[in-house]
Amino acid sequence: DAGVTQSPTHLIKTRGQQVTLRCSPKSGHDTVSWYQQALGQGPQFIFQYYEEEERQRGNFPDRFSGHQFPNYSSELNVNALLLGDSALYLCASSLQGREAYGYTFGSGTRLTVV
Amino acid sequence: EDQVTQSPEALRLQEGESSSLNCSYTVSGLRGLFWYRQDPGKGPEFLFTLYSAGEEKEKERLKATLTKKESFLHITAPKPEDSATYLCAVQAAEAQKLVFGQGTRLTINP
Repeated sequence: DAGVTQSPTHLIKTRGQQVTLRCSPKSGHDTVSWYQQALGQGPQFIFQYYEEEERQRGNFPDRFSGHQFPNYSSELNVNALLLGDSALYLCASSLQGREAYGYTFGSGTRLTVV
Repeated sequence: EDQVTQSPEALRLQEGESSSLNCSYTVSGLRGLFWYRQDPGKGPEFLFTLYSAGEEKEKERLKATLTKKESFLHITAPKPEDSATYLCAVQAAEAQKLVFGQGTRLTINP
């Protein structure tokens, strides 16, 4: 049973560029959340998608946007990259109403902005 | 604002030396408290969900407990493979997001 798949695993971008990160949820899951994890810190919630709609958003600027597709996969887009956007970006999937069974996280995309 | 504080930041133990990790939280109506394990370069791995004060859950050498203000992760007779960062997170009622603490980095020496 495939877990959460994220791509790419590593990425280096230049300040000011745009980036798209991708996530395929665990089989049977319909909800995708994105988190940003800086080195040595806990993950911070960016937003969550369910039924192709953004359900909740954390304290991140509009430069961060997302999308969910009919097959439940998701993309995270970041525009006008800043050095401070360098972090591990985690995707977590769950089944709506069954969050008690835990959110399943992918291994993340390591983004470095230079 | 929902908040989670974990202590200590780092803990080094000898193999077989039992200890506890602490997670203090404030939340506007607890929907669930989650414990995760994270290995370097990997995503968090789900361990437990706790819902109400007095609840306990166990898995191998790990036992999680919950009060109205904090949760403990007890590690009994740990092995080197238990070395990881342990993350605590809360989810408030009517919220979708998890609010994480900064984690406790646990090292078990053989």
